Amino acid sequence: NAGVTQTPKFRILKIGQSMTLQCTQDMNHNYMYWYRQDPGMGLKLIYYSVGAGITDKGEVPNGYNVSRSTTEDFPLRLELAAPSQTSVYFCASSLSGTDSYEQYFGPGTRLTVT
Amino acid sequence: QKEVEQNSGPLSVPEGAIASLNCTYSDRVSQSFFWYRQYSGKSPELIMSIYSNGDKEDGRFTAQLNKASQYVSLLIRDSQPSDSATYLCAAGGARGSTLGRLYFGRGTQLTVWP
Repeated sequence: NAGVTQTPKFRILKIGQSMTLQCTQDMNHNYMYWYRQDPGMGLKLIYYSVGAGITDKGEVPNGYNVSRSTTEDFPLRLELAAPSQTSVYFCASSLSGTDSYEQYFGPGTRLTVT
Repeated sequence: QKEVEQNSGPLSVPEGAIASLNCTYSDRVSQSFFWYRQYSGKSPELIMSIYSNGDKEDGRFTAQLNKASQYVSLLIRDSQPSDSATYLCAAGGARGSTLGRLYFGRGTQLTVWP
């Protein structure tokens, strides 16, 4: 199993540009999450999904959108990039049931908006 | 607002010593607790989960949970330089529930010097 994979690893965007951060997991996990992590700060939840077709906002959803059409994929869309979105983005997944909440993280995408 | 607070650190211990990391949480409903290790420039890695009051040991790591005091700790025995990382504490809902979210602290940076 590859676990949780994310692409790209690094990206530089100009202000106002758009992009999609990709996230795929092959563990058949039903829950998936997007976090951002700013230097010296903890993880802030952007959006999460409890299954295909079901998404919900986290703590910091403004400026982002998500969709979940399959169990495996959970892309994060930035529509109009702003410098405040410069951060490291992590995707995670977990399996509901006995071991719910044990989240497993992808390697991250480092995004710079200039 | 569900909050998870960690001792701010940084924490510095000599090789072979016991490192003690502490965490408190505000939501009494929280039932699941996790410790993640994050090396610089890498993604969080789950190292311990604990659901019941008391101690849980895994190798050199011991997690301690006291729900009455809303307190979680992680002890690292025989600390090694390779343990130098940021440790994130996280709290979530009841095991097996459908909520799926975790709340993370800001992390404590640990340095183990030879």
